[in-house]
Amino acid sequence: GAVVSQHPSRVICKSGTSVKIECRSLDFQATTMFWYRQFPKKSLMLMATSNEGSKATYEQGVEKDKFLINHASLTLSTLTVTSAHPEDSSFYICSARGSIGFGLAGGEQYFGPGTRLTVT
Amino acid sequence: DAKTTQPNSMESNEEEPVHLPCNHSTISGTDYIHWYRQLPSQGPEYVIHGLTSNVNNRMASLAIAEDRKSSTLILHRATLRDAAVYYCILRDVWNNDMRFGAGTRLTVKP
Repeated sequence: GAVVSQHPSRVICKSGTSVKIECRSLDFQATTMFWYRQFPKKSLMLMATSNEGSKATYEQGVEKDKFLINHASLTLSTLTVTSAHPEDSSFYICSARGSIGFGLAGGEQYFGPGTRLTVT
Repeated sequence: DAKTTQPNSMESNEEEPVHLPCNHSTISGTDYIHWYRQLPSQGPEYVIHGLTSNVNNRMASLAIAEDRKSSTLILHRATLRDAAVYYCILRDVWNNDMRFGAGTRLTVKP
């Protein structure tokens, strides 16, 4: 099956610094990538959707200047949390989707293992 | 995306079948029914999906009501490793994103 990786799996940073999280589709080309955030005991919340070579589309309430998303190639998307604060501590999960017809019907989404960010 | 309703939690005994229900009364004709599960501190894992007919794979079975307003994920023999949060999600075939509800937390007792 299709594999999506994330790096790092865990990161601890100091308040005010920036952190970059990478998401890679290892064996397929991801035309669209999604970033989710998950707080403890809560469900996944979609943050933004990005298509390769285009600007990301952010969900309402998500600050685009704080959560910078770059989808420069068909296999890599990055999420940079700028000027991180303790309230940004969360589990960040990316998902990648191939072109329509790839994988399961409807262009299936494959999820990465997640990155746990702790801001001190 | 149309909304889904699932019980917050369910319990099962090991090696017994588990039926996880999902209601989706506002489902449209182009909505696929997807099931994912999430183990602690991991990303969601695909389980199964279907459109109208019942589906079987190595992980589970999906039973879809004739009117498509509800579905049931069936784990034929629950194991301790099946303890997870199970999400039932509707996604239009042409829609770009997948949005998660609260899901059902399945506990499997030995």
